Amino acid sequence: AQTVTQSQPEMSVQEAETVTLSCTYDTSENNYYLFWYKQPPSRQMILVIRQEAYKQQNATENRFSVNFQKAAKSFSLKISDSQLGDTAMYFCAFMKHSTGANSKLTFGKGITLSVRP
Amino acid sequence: DAGITQSPRHKVTETGTPVTLRCHQTENHRYMYWYRQDPGHGLRLIHYSYGVKDTDKGEVSDGYSVSRSKTEDFLLTLESATSSQTSVYFCAIRPHKVDTEAFFGQGTRLTVV
Repeated sequence: AQTVTQSQPEMSVQEAETVTLSCTYDTSENNYYLFWYKQPPSRQMILVIRQEAYKQQNATENRFSVNFQKAAKSFSLKISDSQLGDTAMYFCAFMKHSTGANSKLTFGKGITLSVRP
Repeated sequence: DAGITQSPRHKVTETGTPVTLRCHQTENHRYMYWYRQDPGHGLRLIHYSYGVKDTDKGEVSDGYSVSRSKTEDFLLTLESATSSQTSVYFCAIRPHKVDTEAFFGQGTRLTVV
């Protein structure tokens, strides 16, 4: 079974600064996907970024980028130029490269990020 | 909007009563999931479906059952609600393609008193 660990329950960052959220996972699979989801106070789950394990290049989406270390099973999210709207809970998630019965997402416990003005 | 509707959005019910939550999608996606979100636990998978009448248990399935008689609807039933089932419930859907992410509904806040 896969596990996803987010060991930091809370973080705080000053507006316009950079912050990194940590995530580690455990799996025996070689092909899989990793995701970061954002959950603002509205409760809506929003995909921030995803990474395919077979790709060595780290994914980037505007101010969001990841540091994917496959051997270390680490998948951290870097938010540059933090904005007040980035205040939210962030979840790291894992999914096997699979169809059928094994196609499911496993989430970490989440981290609450506060951006200070 | 990913074409997912959860109903009801809020519900208060008494211990011991049956409760059914509905997830409806207009995307014709194959995979549907029910998660519960609790402080300190993140999102935990209750049940999921990989096709009509094809369902499987997640990590916290005790006390819950599901049904999927047609592609667009995935029902989650609490046969006899308990206070430990007070939570926010999320439905998610995902297409058949292996490299796609899941899209989530707005969530249902269920309170069992």
